[in-house]
Amino acid sequence: SQTIHQWPATLVQPVGSPLSLECTVEGTSNPNLYWYRQAAGRGLQLLFYSVGIGQISSEVPQNLSASRPQDRQFILSSKKLLLSDSGFYLCDWSGVPMWTEAFFGQGTRLTVV
Amino acid sequence: SQQGEEDPQALSIQEGENATMNCSYKTSINNLQWYRQNSGRGLVHLILIRSNEREKHSGRLRVTLDTSKKSSSLLITASRAADTASYFCATDSSTGTASKLTFGTGTRLQVTL
Repeated sequence: SQTIHQWPATLVQPVGSPLSLECTVEGTSNPNLYWYRQAAGRGLQLLFYSVGIGQISSEVPQNLSASRPQDRQFILSSKKLLLSDSGFYLCDWSGVPMWTEAFFGQGTRLTVV
Repeated sequence: SQQGEEDPQALSIQEGENATMNCSYKTSINNLQWYRQNSGRGLVHLILIRSNEREKHSGRLRVTLDTSKKSSSLLITASRAADTASYFCATDSSTGTASKLTFGTGTRLQVTL
């Protein structure tokens, strides 16, 4: 069966420090991969998605970047964190569009101090 | 931007009662999905209803979709304390190779004994 791993679960980082969040998927190949951010008490905002290795689409301008170095690995990064980058970050994967649901990781709670 | 708007924002009921949550959206969709999120956790897929379907059931869940009104409802029957969570609707309006979900702001459901 397919599983998705996301780590770390929580992270406290100072302003100006770099960031690297990792997401890996097991049990499937060629997944579509996504990074979302959820502000407190709000819905999810799509940040990046990828349909293949090295293919990244950005949905909103921001201080973050994403990379997909391997088929089942998706990384969210920042060179210098801002206070406004704090939030709950979720990774998910899905299969064929329009027919399947999304499978989410457990999320990373990022606090920038 | 948020396409889906859930109503109500918060709902408190007693165990055994039914809970109804509504979702409205703005653009045409391929499908609409409902997710559940326990506090501080990732989202769990509950049910997907395609644009050509009007009603779908899964266990104690019943989802309806009215594309003419651009609205959907999620009914949880005979609620349990374990149903306490936030519930999100998400619409898929993808036209390309990636299924990009647009999430609503969620309904916080509290089920008390």
